[in-house]
Amino acid sequence: NAGVTQTPKFQVLKTGQSMTLQCAQDMNHNSMYWYRQDPGMGLRLIYYSASEGTTDKGEVPNGYNVSRLNKREFSLRLESAAPSQTSVYFCASARIATNEKLFFGSGTQLSVL
Amino acid sequence: KQEVTQIPAALSVPEGENLVLNCSFTDSAIYNLQWFRQDPGKGLTSLLLIQSSQREQTSGRLNASLDKSSGRSTLYIAASQPGDSATYLCAVRPNTNAGKSTFGDGTTLTVKP
Repeated sequence: NAGVTQTPKFQVLKTGQSMTLQCAQDMNHNSMYWYRQDPGMGLRLIYYSASEGTTDKGEVPNGYNVSRLNKREFSLRLESAAPSQTSVYFCASARIATNEKLFFGSGTQLSVL
Repeated sequence: KQEVTQIPAALSVPEGENLVLNCSFTDSAIYNLQWFRQDPGKGLTSLLLIQSSQREQTSGRLNASLDKSSGRSTLYIAASQPGDSATYLCAVRPNTNAGKSTFGDGTTLTVKP
């Protein structure tokens, strides 16, 4: 029972490089989320997708794009990485309209030099 | 805008002690409140979820309560063990905004043998 799977677990980028963080869930959840976690600032929502085919901005969307590829997969793309995007990124999913419990992946630790 | 506060930021107790972690929120129009545990370098693991219509939830040595009118939730841990050492976060899901939960910054608990 995999739950929410994120790849990669670690990544180092140079300023200006691009990359995509991958997330997949096998729980048939309709909603998926990308958060970043920074010391002293807690977890902040970057983007979310309430259902397949829809995406919406969260609290800190600047510098990111997302794609809800299908019901299982939700990717986060950094087009031109900046040092301010150094963080730990978490993907989460939930089944809206039931108990809506959030399930999290194990995270991606990203460093932008 | 919903604000979630967890006080204290850190707590150290001797093994065997019962303890209470606090979570306060400013907007009582919530759908549910979820408590998580996070170990260093790991993702968030769901502990308990309380629906807005519920007063408390229990799982083993954990008991979470919810008082919407006062904007407070507590997580009670009985007979604490060194393995309980972790950061505990609460997250509030609003009635609106389709799943945009707001997280507290967490309380880091250390249980000393």
